Amino acid sequence: DIQLTQSPSFLSASVGDRVTITCRASQGISSYLAWYQQKPGKAPKLLIYAASTLQSGVPSRFSGSGSGTEFTLTISSLQPEDFATYYCQQLNSYPTFGPGTKVDIK
Amino acid sequence: QLQLQESGPGLVKPSETLSLTCTVSGGSISSSSYYWGWIRQPPGKGLEWIGSIYYSGSTYYNPSLKSRVTISVDTSKNQFSLKLSSVTAADTAVYYCASSEWELKNDAFDIWGQGTMVTVSS
Repeated sequence: DIQLTQSPSFLSASVGDRVTITCRASQGISSYLAWYQQKPGKAPKLLIYAASTLQSGVPSRFSGSGSGTEFTLTISSLQPEDFATYYCQQLNSYPTFGPGTKVDIK
Repeated sequence: QLQLQESGPGLVKPSETLSLTCTVSGGSISSSSYYWGWIRQPPGKGLEWIGSIYYSGSTYYNPSLKSRVTISVDTSKNQFSLKLSSVTAADTAVYYCASSEWELKNDAFDIWGQGTMVTVSS
């Protein structure tokens, strides 16, 4: 099975900061990668699919890039509503999720 | 707009079978545009895909759960369901149903239910 790692596992940031989260796959997954945002007590929300395609309704400050084994999620200017946990998910073989990155307020 | 809602017992005894249903509204479960899945999240932990079912009836399960999982569709009720047998405390989690417009969204789950907490305890 394909394992995903995320770094960092936790980051503390301020409103307006540029934030980058990295997801690495244990083997190549082409562009079969999605990013989700989850807030406490809520279901995950799809942000990015196919590694770099923004889901409809998601603010343009979110962007994704990468292919193969290394991917990034970038938030260009962190907003108060962006404090949450972010998960990557690979869909190249049976789906697996990364362990998550919690973005907290500095 | 497609909407999903999970339902089922919130408490299941060890060794018994966990049964959940996901009711689909705003679209047809028979549509070839979607596939349907179950994902769970133990308290304070990350997300784990349990399995998925396509409109054709084809099912795919997490290898670590495959021997205990059955996912099926009831087209007459526009629902799909999850059965997980021989549960233990390790199966305590929030269970989510989700859907994917698989051809458009590269198989990513773009619609999620609100989730339902299931506790395994005697």
